[in-house]
Amino acid sequence: DIQMTQSPSSLSASVEDTVTITCRASQYVGAYVNWYQQKPGKAPNLLIYATSALQSGVPSRFSGSGSATDFTLTISSLQPEDFATYYCQQTYTSPSFGQGTRLEIK
Amino acid sequence: QVQLVQSGPEVTKPGASVKVSCKASGYTFINYGISWVRQAPGQGLEWMGWISTYNGNTNYAQKIQGRVTMTTDTSTTTAYMELRSLRSDDTAVYYCARDEGDSGYDPNDYWGQGTLVTVSS
Repeated sequence: DIQMTQSPSSLSASVEDTVTITCRASQYVGAYVNWYQQKPGKAPNLLIYATSALQSGVPSRFSGSGSATDFTLTISSLQPEDFATYYCQQTYTSPSFGQGTRLEIK
Repeated sequence: QVQLVQSGPEVTKPGASVKVSCKASGYTFINYGISWVRQAPGQGLEWMGWISTYNGNTNYAQKIQGRVTMTTDTSTTTAYMELRSLRSDDTAVYYCARDEGDSGYDPNDYWGQGTLVTVSS
């Protein structure tokens, strides 16, 4: 099974900051990495698929990049509604998720 | 609009089974696979498996292989996930999610509201 390791596990930032979350795969996953946002008590919401494609309806301040084993999610100009937990997911083989990154207000 | 509506919360005992349903609407059911993902209290997301709504092919996570069965009923556009021989560490919110395709390797673009399954003696 492919392990996805996110860093950091938690992060404090202020409104209008730019933050980056990284995800490392234990083996090659091509560009088959997706990113989700989850708020407490809610289902996850797809933000980015295939490394860098923005899901319909997702604000352009979210962006993704990377390849092979190293991937990043960047959120520019943080808004109050962006404080949540973020998960990466690989779908190159049987899917697996990272452990999550909790983004908190500083 | 696309909707996935799951069955209600369950409380069950160790060793028992649970079957969660996921009623899909707003799209052509057989064009998109269904994945199941669970989340233990305070923990991250765990992929459980996938079923093709077109031909019933399945792919289960190794960790629960042998205890899980995923099925669909195309006449009612409903997916089901049954988990057997329940243990306390199966206590979690169980989500169904629509795959963007039907390969088993697609992102999940719509999710159900989640079903809390509590396993307790």
